[in-house]
Amino acid sequence: ETGVTQSPTHLIKTRGQQVTLRCSSQSGHNTVSWYQQALGQGPQFIFQYYREEENGRGNFPPRFSGLQFPNYSSELNVNALELDDSALYLCASSPGTQTGELFFGEGSRLTVL
Amino acid sequence: AQSVTQPDIHITVSEGASLELRCNYSYGATPYLFWYVQSPGQGLQLLLKYFSGDTLVQGIKGFEAEFKRSQSSFNLRKPSVHWSDAAEYFCAVGAMGYQKVTFGIGTKLQVIP
Repeated sequence: ETGVTQSPTHLIKTRGQQVTLRCSSQSGHNTVSWYQQALGQGPQFIFQYYREEENGRGNFPPRFSGLQFPNYSSELNVNALELDDSALYLCASSPGTQTGELFFGEGSRLTVL
Repeated sequence: AQSVTQPDIHITVSEGASLELRCNYSYGATPYLFWYVQSPGQGLQLLLKYFSGDTLVQGIKGFEAEFKRSQSSFNLRKPSVHWSDAAEYFCAVGAMGYQKVTFGIGTKLQVIP
């Protein structure tokens, strides 16, 4: 059984640029959630995707957007990067939208200079 | 709104000693409660979960947690800590049909020989 995989693992961008992070969900999981974990903080919910549509969103601006593909993989896009966007971005998959039990990837570490 | 409080940011215990990590939550309905562990540079791994039923739940790696509704608490315990338990521990709350899982700020556990 393949777990959740994320790419890239590390990246550096400059303020104002755009970034795309990718996530492959665990086998059999149809729901993907994205979380932002700033240094010294717990993960913060960005949004969830189910059946290729956004299925809930946290308190993040519209420049944070996402996609889910028919194979349940997902992308997180962030436009107009700000210094405060520097964080570990975690993707989590789950077998449905109901349980809340999340299976996390190892994250993508984004540094914005 | 959901919220989670982990009052201890950093805890140091001796190897072989017992451990209790505190977690208090705020949620109006019946919560789903989780403990996750994060090793440095890695994603989060689920230790245990409470959805309903027996209020004492067993998890992986010898951990257990007790749900106390009257105290709005879900403390994590381990009778004898091993050096490999050094990591950061996150308490989290979710709910049936609710996409967002809310995490606490985390407790960093240091184990000394």
